[in-house]
Amino acid sequence: EAGVTQSPTHLIKTRGQQATLRCSPISGHTSVYWYQQALGLGLQFLLWYDEGEERNRGNFPPRFSGRQFPNYSSELNVNALELEDSALYLCASSNQGSSYNEQFFGPGTRLTVL
Amino acid sequence: KQEVTQIPAALSVPEGENLVLNCSFTDSAIYNLQWFRQDPGKGLTSLLLIQSSQREQTSGRLNASLDKSSGRSTLYIAASQPGDSATYLCAVVTGNQFYFGTGTSLTVIP
Repeated sequence: EAGVTQSPTHLIKTRGQQATLRCSPISGHTSVYWYQQALGLGLQFLLWYDEGEERNRGNFPPRFSGRQFPNYSSELNVNALELEDSALYLCASSNQGSSYNEQFFGPGTRLTVL
Repeated sequence: KQEVTQIPAALSVPEGENLVLNCSFTDSAIYNLQWFRQDPGKGLTSLLLIQSSQREQTSGRLNASLDKSSGRSTLYIAASQPGDSATYLCAVVTGNQFYFGTGTSLTVIP
């Protein structure tokens, strides 16, 4: 069974540009979660989507947004990029959209903002 | 706001030693607690998930315990191996929010 996949593996942008990151969950999983892991910092929860709806978001500005498609894949968009947005962005999926369920992570997208 | 702390931040042990990693959280109203390992520059691999009603979970050489009332969890690794070298993270779910500790970096010396 294929795991969570993310693309691209690496992304280099300049300040002020927009970045789009993509995530495909494990087959059968309806929930997708996005996290940011900046260098030297812990994972910070960004967004949670389930069945196409945003269920919760972390303490991030509105320029971090996303969506979930009917096939449960998801996009994370970061507008007006700032240098401090450079980080590893991790996507996770779980089934049934419950806080009780185990999360499975993808390999991440390394975003570098110059 | 939930705060998750992992101590120590780094740990180095000789191969074969048994070891314990600690995770503490400030709000005991959690739905579950999950332990992960992360290899450098990579995503997270789920190790164990403990639901709030459970006290422990075991998988192979790993055993995780949960004491909600004291806000603590431990991950016990038996007979450590060099391949266990990684950063170990704990995460709790509170009120539909997910909170991660900053991790313990483990090095197992051959």
